[in-house]
Order: sequence, then structure tokens, then C-alpha cells
Amino acid sequence: NAGVTQTPKFQVLKTGQSMTLQCAQDMNHEYMSWYRQDPGMGLRLIHYSVGAGITDQGEVPNGYNVSRSTTEDFPLRLLSAAPSQTSVYFCASSLASGGRDEQFFGPGTRLTVL
Amino acid sequence: DAKTTQPNSMESNEEEPVHLPCNHSTISGTDYIHWYRQLPSQGPEYVIHGLTSNVNNRMASLAIAEDRKSSTLILHRATLRDAAVYYCILRGRTSGTYKYIFGTGTRLKVLA
Repeated sequence: NAGVTQTPKFQVLKTGQSMTLQCAQDMNHEYMSWYRQDPGMGLRLIHYSVGAGITDQGEVPNGYNVSRSTTEDFPLRLLSAAPSQTSVYFCASSLASGGRDEQFFGPGTRLTVL
Repeated sequence: DAKTTQPNSMESNEEEPVHLPCNHSTISGTDYIHWYRQLPSQGPEYVIHGLTSNVNNRMASLAIAEDRKSSTLILHRATLRDAAVYYCILRGRTSGTYKYIFGTGTRLKVLA
């Protein structure tokens, strides 16, 4: 298993540009989520999904869209990038959405918005 | 959402045990207690989780208070590779509906 993969590893955008961060998992996990981590801070939940076709907002959803058309993929779209979105983005998945299952994290995407 | 409270930082000497505390006084009956750690420049990794009883695995032990309002992650012999930020998280249907909410965690420094 490749686990949770994220692309790209690094990205630089200009203010106002849009882009999609890719996340995929090959473990047939129901639950997937996106977090952002600003320098020296903990992780904040952006959006999550409990299965294909079902998504919901986390703590900081503004400026981001998600979709879940397949079990494997959970892309995060930045609609109009702003410098405040400069951060490291982590995707994670777990087998189910209940309390017992551990989350597996991807290696992260480091995004800089100029 | 149920919250957790952890000390900002702790220090330990190498090869000594480390006890990392976490308070979660608003925990509900169905919330699991999860611990993750994040090494520098990496994504978080799972350490251990439990519901009511103490738990052991190859990485650590988790001691849960009888009233479940606090827990302690125990690293039996700290190594330099254990230097990381440790997060205590509640996860369950009543703690925000399927969400993991990370706090600021405890930064563990291991001294050689």
C-alpha cells in the first residue's frame, strides 16, 4: 500500500490564482480530511468526508472547496489564493468515521501564496 | 466540541520514562482518547488510543483516569527520536460529529 499520497509537495501561487491539492489513499478508507498547519501552530480541520459523495465543513472552511466523487480521492480546491492561506496542508484518512480508528496522514503540501 | 488541555512543553532525559498529561473534563461517554505525535517537518503519526481501560502498544502506554476526565501518555524509555509535538485528541460521535480537533499539543524535548 502506498498509504496516503499528496501532490504537489511544494507550490507557490500568486494572490488570486486557484489550484487543487490532490490527495489519494489506497486503503479503502471511508473517512478523509484536510488540515492546515501554520508555522508553530497545531493542525486545524478544513473539510472532511465520511464517504463518497458526502462532505462537511471543519473549523476553517472559508476559501476552500472539496469534493469526494470516489472513495480513493479527496481533492482540496483553493478558489482564489490569499497570502493568509500560506501554510502546510495535510490530508488524512481512516477506515471509518467512528471513534476507534486511527488516522493516517500524508506527507503534506507546503503552499506559499505571494 | 469537547476540548483537551495539555502543557505547552516538557523535557525529559534520554532513556528515562516520560509522562505526558492531558485534561479532557468535558469528555462524553462515547469519546475515544487518541494520541498522535508530529516529528519535525512530518505529518502526524498515530501513537495510541483508548476508551476506558489502560492500553499498551509497542510505542507507548495510555493511562486513563477512572472518571475519564484526564489521561496520561507514557513513553517508557525516551529516546532522542521521541522528540516531537504530542497531541491528545477526543474522537467520537458526540465530540463534533466525526471530527478530529487538534489542540496545540505538548512539545517534548529529550536531553541526551
